[in-house]
Amino acid sequence: KQEVTQIPAALSVPEGENLVLNCSFTDSAIYNLQWFRQDPGKGLTSLLLIQSSQREQTSGRLNASLDKSSGRSTLYIAASQPGDSATYLCAVYNQAGTALIFGKGTTLSVSS
Amino acid sequence: IAGITQAPTSQILAAGRRMTLRCTQDMRHNAMYWYRQDLGLGLRLIHYSNTAGTTGKGEVPDGYSVSRANTDDFPLTLASAVPSQTSVYFCASGVQEGNEQFFGPGTRLTVL
Repeated sequence: KQEVTQIPAALSVPEGENLVLNCSFTDSAIYNLQWFRQDPGKGLTSLLLIQSSQREQTSGRLNASLDKSSGRSTLYIAASQPGDSATYLCAVYNQAGTALIFGKGTTLSVSS
Repeated sequence: IAGITQAPTSQILAAGRRMTLRCTQDMRHNAMYWYRQDLGLGLRLIHYSNTAGTTGKGEVPDGYSVSRANTDDFPLTLASAVPSQTSVYFCASGVQEGNEQFFGPGTRLTVL
């Protein structure tokens, strides 16, 4: 059974720092991987989708990498801002592409 | 309508009552999904539909049913609600299975 783990569960940084959020998964036979952010009491906002054949994907200050063989993905946030404060969720598709399996998230707090 | 809408926003329900959570998307996405989000357990897939007229079971389908009569709507029904179904329910959609998923704002359901 696929399991997705995100470490750390919580992270506090000062504004301007570059940071890395980690995601690991137990079964490397994934279809795609998607990163989301969730603000308190809100729905999920899609940040990046990395297809299984890709190594990385970039959007603005965000860069996500994927290493299927080691079962890892990282989300790099450059020059963090207080508005980046949220919970970041990593999710992997099963091999059939029918289901996203989520990690429990990393809650990020960026102080000004 | 823009994106995915869910109704109601929140609901308090007596145990044993029947309840339908509504989800509508205007993006002509083929794939739609229902998740529940619980503290400590994260997001878990309840049911999915890859195209109108078809549905499938996710990780936690018991006590829930879905239908997909057309492309836009994907209602989730609790036939006889129980307190363990207290949760936040999210509907999501994607162009097709395995693609980037987009989430609605959620329905907060309390079963007493």
